[in-house]
Amino acid sequence: GENVEQHPSTLSVQEGDSAVIKCTYSDSASNYFPWYKQELGKGPQLIIDIRSNVGEKKDQRIAVTLNKTAKHFSLHITETQPEDSAVYFCAASRPLSGNTPLVFGKGTRLSVIA
Amino acid sequence: NAGVTQTPKFQVLKTGQSMTLQCAQDMNHEYMSWYRQDPGMGLRLIHYSVGAGITDQGEVPNGYNVSRSTTEDFPLRLLSAAPSQTSVYFCASRAQGVYEQYFGPGTRLTVT
Repeated sequence: GENVEQHPSTLSVQEGDSAVIKCTYSDSASNYFPWYKQELGKGPQLIIDIRSNVGEKKDQRIAVTLNKTAKHFSLHITETQPEDSAVYFCAASRPLSGNTPLVFGKGTRLSVIA
Repeated sequence: NAGVTQTPKFQVLKTGQSMTLQCAQDMNHEYMSWYRQDPGMGLRLIHYSVGAGITDQGEVPNGYNVSRSTTEDFPLRLLSAAPSQTSVYFCASRAQGVYEQYFGPGTRLTVT
C-alpha cells in the first residue's frame, strides 16, 4: 500500500521568512496530493491540493510543487505570519474509485516566531 | 450547512467500558471515514464507508465497529475500551467522485 513520509517533523521560522515542508510517496498510481492545516484543538482543514497532471499550484502565499518522477511534493509558504503556526499534514490518494482512502504523512509542526 | 459534526468533544472511559462516538454530516456526502490521531503518528484510517449499508476496514480497525444506516450518520463504537484507544478521533466526509475531504472538530477520548 501507499506510504507517505513527511519532513521535517518540526520547523521554526522567523516571521516574514519562507517555510518548506516536503513529502515523498511510494505508490506511483497516486494522483491526488492535498495539504491540510490543523490548528490547536481543531480538525484538519484543506488548504491546497494538486493533481498529478500539474507540476505547481499557487494560492496567494501558499504553493505546492509535485515531481511525479521522483515521487515527492512540497508545500511552500512565503512571508510567514504568526497565524501560519499550526500542524501541517500532507496526504496522497489513488484515482477515485469506490474505496480510495487518503494516506497521511505524520505531520509537521510549524512555529512562526514574531 | 453545519458541515461535519462530532459528539462528544471530550470523553473519559474506564477500561472495559463501551461507548459510541457520533458523527454526522449535512452535505449529502456518500463517503465517510474515521481516523485516529496520536502524537507523532499522523492520521490513521480506522474504518470507512462509501454509502449507506457499506463499510470497510482501514489501517487500524481492531477494537472498533461501525455501521452506516443513513447517508448522514456514521457512528464509531468501542465495545470494550482499552488504554491503547486513548486518542483524538476525527470523522471526515467527501462527495462521491470528488477528492476534497472535510473533517469534523474531533473527539478527545481518554481511557484509564
